[in-house]
Amino acid sequence: DSGVTQTPKHLITATGQRVTLRCSPRSGDLSVYWYQQSLDQGLQFLIQYYNGEERAKGNILERFSAQQFPDLHSELNLSSLELGDSALYFCASSIQPTKYGYTFGSGTRLTVV
Amino acid sequence: DAKTTQPPSMDCAEGRAANLPCNHSTISGNEYVYWYRQIHSQGPQYIIHGLKNNETNEMASLIITEDRKSSTLILPHATLRDTAVYYCIVRENYGGATNKLIFGTGTLLAVQP
Repeated sequence: DSGVTQTPKHLITATGQRVTLRCSPRSGDLSVYWYQQSLDQGLQFLIQYYNGEERAKGNILERFSAQQFPDLHSELNLSSLELGDSALYFCASSIQPTKYGYTFGSGTRLTVV
Repeated sequence: DAKTTQPPSMDCAEGRAANLPCNHSTISGNEYVYWYRQIHSQGPQYIIHGLKNNETNEMASLIITEDRKSSTLILPHATLRDTAVYYCIVRENYGGATNKLIFGTGTLLAVQP
């Protein structure tokens, strides 16, 4: 157990639907990062939050959004889902990455049918 | 985009040392080198990181050349469980506000019995 909790572990939904993925960071970590890993794309950075504020954006689609709540957990919202959104979604957290690195969760596997 | 170059694959005999090279010739003075691995579809696992000095922990050793243009991750006694994709990442560093990890394609290390 890395200390980063992601729920659900698996999600199967239909095209056009909306889902929410949840991430609870390690205790004390203020930063949360979201990554997408599809078969042909590798690990792609989506977005970073630090203490409730968006800090960096990667190749995140407009149909996707995220937020970090006061208790520091984060949610990634995916809407108008397409078949190509099927992927593993990972969350990572950090407090002082130059000292402690980044800790990843075990991911949510999303399948869009 | 990732600023590292790694061989796509390597083999290593069980019980022998695995030496994984990484080229990061455009690294800046304040950029750290991180190593992560991903076993099958699990979340990336932190291995080690460093700035300019060699580092060692219970998992591995990191050797960074004096000019910092390349590094080598050493797994001293590889086991079958070390079979994974290993990622060498140079972390972008813009005043600490944008400190995400950008993953490349990594090296698939296959430990052979």
